Amino acid sequence: EPEVTQTPSHQVTQMGQEVILRCVPISNHLYFYWYRQILGQKVEFLVSFYNNEISEKSEIFDDQFSVERPDGSNFTLKIRSTKLEDSAMYFCASRLGQGGGELFFGEGSRLTVL
Amino acid sequence: DAKTTQPPSMDCAEGRAANLPCNHSTISGNEYVYWYRQIHSQGPQYIIHGLKNNETNEMASLIITEDRKSSTLILPHATLRDTAVYYCIVRVRGAGSYQLTFGKGTKLSVIP
Repeated sequence: EPEVTQTPSHQVTQMGQEVILRCVPISNHLYFYWYRQILGQKVEFLVSFYNNEISEKSEIFDDQFSVERPDGSNFTLKIRSTKLEDSAMYFCASRLGQGGGELFFGEGSRLTVL
Repeated sequence: DAKTTQPPSMDCAEGRAANLPCNHSTISGNEYVYWYRQIHSQGPQYIIHGLKNNETNEMASLIITEDRKSSTLILPHATLRDTAVYYCIVRVRGAGSYQLTFGKGTKLSVIP
């Protein structure tokens, strides 16, 4: 069964460092998403991406965040200068589109900022 | 999107049916009811969705009341692996970017 894969599974970084989280969505899916979940809190929407551009973003997704689909298969989330409060699980998701509403999530990347 | 209300936690004996309720009294006519679950800290997993008819798939059944103001997710024979947080979400299907808004959900504990 096709699945969304994410790397790394866990990354530890120092405050102020740049981090890139990588995702390989399901191959024929058209919509891509990043969500995050701070420990013990709700799953929060960050950004959606379609047709090589951001289609929607939340207030969390400020100038420190960016997304990119560099090669037609990977979908990346970059945090330019990490803060302690960026520590969270980051989930990538994809959706087929064409009216289909079901999101398929990856297993997540745990980011720890020290 | 319509707001949903779910109990914070429920217990269910292994092998018995788990019935998870959700209230969505402000749901509009074109909003679907979706259920996802999150096992421990894994990524959320889609379970089922419906508009007004009852739905069944290999994972669960979804019962939506006639006035569509509430629904129940049924896991017919709960196993220990069904222990998870279950999220009820209402959303227009296929509209726009289709981002989901997760609430706190119901933490289901399946007990041996």
